[in-house]
Amino acid sequence: GENVEQHPSTLSVQEGDSAVIKCTYSDSASNYFPWYKQELGKGPQLIIDIRSNVGEKKDQRIAVTLNKTAKHFSLHITETQPEDSAVYFCAATGNQFYFGTGTSLTVIP
Amino acid sequence: DSGVTQTPKHLITATGQRVTLRCSPRSGDLSVYWYQQSLDQGLQFLIHYYNGEERAKGNILERFSAQQFPDLHSELNLSSLELGDSALYFCASSVGNREHEQYFGPGTRLTVT
Repeated sequence: GENVEQHPSTLSVQEGDSAVIKCTYSDSASNYFPWYKQELGKGPQLIIDIRSNVGEKKDQRIAVTLNKTAKHFSLHITETQPEDSAVYFCAATGNQFYFGTGTSLTVIP
Repeated sequence: DSGVTQTPKHLITATGQRVTLRCSPRSGDLSVYWYQQSLDQGLQFLIHYYNGEERAKGNILERFSAQQFPDLHSELNLSSLELGDSALYFCASSVGNREHEQYFGPGTRLTVT
């Protein structure tokens, strides 16, 4: 089955700096790679996803990159703000759906 | 607001008891997923239903069961509860089988004492 590894487990950045979260997957059949943000006391919320035939996708301050050959994908948040503080989960889906273990991001004002 | 509703919001019960968690998906969504999130742990996939039929099973204990009804709402039944079952239980829904685009409810916090 699929194995999705996510690093780091915790990340602290100064407001205005960039944050990068990385994930690797093992199943070559995985073809969608969504990212979810979970704020304290709430359910996860889809923030961006990327298909396997696309290398990069941007949405304002958020970007995702995918290296299909190396089987890894990353979430980049630029100009971080305190409201970006949350737990971020990567996921991979193909034949089945798998979440990464999560990254707790803290943006320090 | 994702459009997915879950009831109850909180549930406190004793070991050995049985509880039922309820989920109503977004209007038009045919798929419902259940997840367990324990303290300091990630999201553990339990089960996926599509239009009333079980589609995939994850790490769901035999003491747990679920179903999706004709009106597409779903229920997760947890029986013979143990202290370790204390967790947040999330329901998510998606259009058809678009698993990568799931919309999560606010969760049910279960405390087993």
